[in-house]
Amino acid sequence: KAGVTQTPRYLIKTRGQQVTLSCSPISGHRSVSWYQQTPGQGLQFLFEYFSETQRNKGNFPGRFSGRQFSNSRSEMNVSTLELGDSALYLCASSSSRRASEKLFFGSGTQLSVL
Amino acid sequence: AQSVTQLDSQVPVFEEAPVELRCNYSSSVSVYLFWYVQYPNQGLQLLLKYLSGSTLVKGINGFEAEFNKSQTSFHLRKPSVHISDTAEYFCAVSDSSYKLIFGSGTRLLVRP
Repeated sequence: KAGVTQTPRYLIKTRGQQVTLSCSPISGHRSVSWYQQTPGQGLQFLFEYFSETQRNKGNFPGRFSGRQFSNSRSEMNVSTLELGDSALYLCASSSSRRASEKLFFGSGTQLSVL
Repeated sequence: AQSVTQLDSQVPVFEEAPVELRCNYSSSVSVYLFWYVQYPNQGLQLLLKYLSGSTLVKGINGFEAEFNKSQTSFHLRKPSVHISDTAEYFCAVSDSSYKLIFGSGTRLLVRP
């Protein structure tokens, strides 16, 4: 079974631009979560999607948005990029919405904002 | 609000020595506890989790953790580490809100 796939692996953007990151979950997994990882703030929860609906959202500005498609693939969009958005963005999938459920993480998209 | 504290940002240890990575959590409700590991340039991988029952939890790669409710701790241990255990380790909690709250991470450096 293929793991969680995130594309692209690396991205370089300039301030003010927007970016879209993609995540393909493990086949059969319907829940997709996104996390931002930075050296200063660590791992922070962005949002979670299940059956094409956002079920939970972290404390991030509205510039961060996402969606989930009928095949469970998910995209995350960041508009009007700021230098502080430079981070590793991790996607995770799971088969259900139980809090005890194991998350399977992708290798992430490293975003650099110049 | 829940929070997770990992007391050590970096733990150096010699190969074949025992190691303990400390984790304390703060929560007024029942939580589930996890340890994840991140190898360089990779995503996170689950080592073990505590849901209920026995307070000693065994995970992959020889790691184990002990849940201590009175001390609100969930320390990770391994009796003998290998060079390949060099990685960053994250303690995390989740509750019914279904999101993981991570600690700041502990970098384990195993030296020959």
